[in-house]
Amino acid sequence: DSGVTQTPKHLITATGQRVTLRCSPRSGDLSVYWYQQSLDQGLQFLIQYYNGEERAKGNILERFSAQQFPDLHSELNLSSLELGDSALYFCASSPGLAGADTQYFGPGTRLTVL
Amino acid sequence: AQTVTQSQPEMSVQEAETVTLSCTYDTSESDYYLFWYKQPPSRQMILVIRQEAYKQQNATENRFSVNFQKAAKSFSLKISDSQLGDAAMYFCAYRRVSGGGADGLTFGKGTHLIIQP
Repeated sequence: DSGVTQTPKHLITATGQRVTLRCSPRSGDLSVYWYQQSLDQGLQFLIQYYNGEERAKGNILERFSAQQFPDLHSELNLSSLELGDSALYFCASSPGLAGADTQYFGPGTRLTVL
Repeated sequence: AQTVTQSQPEMSVQEAETVTLSCTYDTSESDYYLFWYKQPPSRQMILVIRQEAYKQQNATENRFSVNFQKAAKSFSLKISDSQLGDAAMYFCAYRRVSGGGADGLTFGKGTHLIIQP
């Protein structure tokens, strides 16, 4: 158990819909990262937040957005869903911004778009 | 943009033998970190080992060690005395460090490691 929690574990929805994925980082960690793992694209970094502020962006689509709240939990919002958005979405957390900081991954949310 | 390449989609090794997984990366940055993550069938991502680019000494964690060749931009993982529990997907990852701190991880496509009993 990494200490990072993600809800829900599984999500099944239809094309065109909007969903919200939730992540609670490890106690004390200020950085939160979102990753997408799909068969086509592999593991991709989407976005990073640090202490409530957006810190870095990766290959995140404009239809996707995220935020980190004052209690440090984070949400990833996916809208106008397409079949290709079906993937495993990971949240990870780390203490801060140091390169040596270990990123601890949550168990992931499996999104299926029908 | 940084890229990470794992040229071996699948590797197989006998239990108790040694196996080496390859990884190369491309970057123009001077400060970065390299990682190997393991993903067993449970899908949980687990850190195996970490290497700081400024360190010449290769990192070691018990049965896991790396061969870091900075000039060649190569970062291979050696697993000694392979065990059945080592069976998993292994991902090589790169992390850039800039003045403001470190970014997210850039992953390779992964190598599926099979352990033959």
